[in-house]
Amino acid sequence: GQSLEQPSEVTAVEGAIVQINCTYQTSGFYGLSWYQQHDGGAPTFLSYNALDGLEETGRFSSFLSRSDSYGYLLLQELQMKDSASYFCAVRGRDDKIIFGKGTRLHILP
Amino acid sequence: DTGVSQDPRHKITKRGQNVTFRCDPISEHNRLYWYRQTLGQGPEFLTYFQNEAQLEKSRLLSDRFSAERPKGSFSTLEIQRTEQGDSAMYLCASSDRGGAPGNEQFFGPGTRLTVL
Repeated sequence: GQSLEQPSEVTAVEGAIVQINCTYQTSGFYGLSWYQQHDGGAPTFLSYNALDGLEETGRFSSFLSRSDSYGYLLLQELQMKDSASYFCAVRGRDDKIIFGKGTRLHILP
Repeated sequence: DTGVSQDPRHKITKRGQNVTFRCDPISEHNRLYWYRQTLGQGPEFLTYFQNEAQLEKSRLLSDRFSAERPKGSFSTLEIQRTEQGDSAMYLCASSDRGGAPGNEQFFGPGTRLTVL
């Protein structure tokens, strides 16, 4: 089977840095994606890691360790608009994507 | 607007009724996915298509659910004999296999179903 674990909630202060972890168990792993979803909105793609290492896109970075079945999303210079739910998602066989339950990020002023 | 669109955005129905939702993907995308999302949970995979072929259907999907993509463009998701447990947001997403890395999926705004 496939499963993903990520914290249900994380709280951080505006301007700070926060890391959201994700561990996974899956067969046929091809990569780890991250999506952001604001309340009432649709998920939007943030990043994708197929190989070990760090991918940086502006204030957001994502890391993958395939040997540890682990990844994280790093958000820097937090802004109030970053308050949202963040989902890790595993890309498996036939490009099917399985989502985690999400981490709700609360940002304090 | 060239994004993914879904219709209707909201649907309220009585238990036992049938409902049908429509999804129009981004025109050049050959992959189309249906997900269900309940409050506080991630999108739960239901089924997906490559062009008109339905490649996989979740084991969680009962026989009351059926999806089609007859011409490889828009798709419909039908729920027969709705139950209160079917109340959820139904999300559609499309992607371009072989295009964007990571099979980036573009989501529509969703159809929120409420079964009374």
